[in-house]
Amino acid sequence: GEDVEQSLFLSVREGDSSVINCTYTDSSSTYLYWYKQEPGAGLQLLTYIFSNMDMKQDQRLTVLLNKKDKHLSLRIADTQTGDSAIYFCAERASGTYKYIFGTGTRLKVLA
Amino acid sequence: EADIYQTPRYLVIGTGKKITLECSQTMGHDKMYWYQQDPGMELHLIHYSYGVNSTEKGDLSSESTVSRIRTEHFPLTLESARPSHTSQYLCASSEVVSGANVLTFGAGSRLTVL
Repeated sequence: GEDVEQSLFLSVREGDSSVINCTYTDSSSTYLYWYKQEPGAGLQLLTYIFSNMDMKQDQRLTVLLNKKDKHLSLRIADTQTGDSAIYFCAERASGTYKYIFGTGTRLKVLA
Repeated sequence: EADIYQTPRYLVIGTGKKITLECSQTMGHDKMYWYQQDPGMELHLIHYSYGVNSTEKGDLSSESTVSRIRTEHFPLTLESARPSHTSQYLCASSEVVSGANVLTFGAGSRLTVL
């Protein structure tokens, strides 16, 4: 079945770049997503990428997609303390409106 | 600002009580979802709806039930709460944006069953 995997924790210093990685299994996924969850809140969409793209940039965020390896990454440039949160990678199961979420990566930004 | 509202945000109740978690959205979305988020952060789909009078069970077996009588309203009910139901419950709705089906989440309802 479909599965999405992420590392659980990442710690970076303020001002450095953060790279959060994700691997997925459903090669027919049309879109892949990144969501952010702050403490006590629901998930907020950060960005998404269409499966025929290799890269998408949106201000401080860069998404890289390696479809051959089924690997997705999110790079946050100039990471700030306000970026501390849990980041979820997600794919939409082909032919459905159901989403498969990764386990989430907890990003901690040190001042 | 939130366009999808969940109440209550926090609830502590005793075993055996019946509870309903409310979810409302003002965006007119047809598709709505309930996710259960465990302490390890992973989200599990427990119910979804494609529109009025359409509900389906998700991937994670749940003793809860849902209804969809109106487009904007998707409540989740537990007839008899147990400690194993203690969790965070997230409601979401989705729409197509530039071809991508995008989820909008509520702030969540954190349930503790004693």
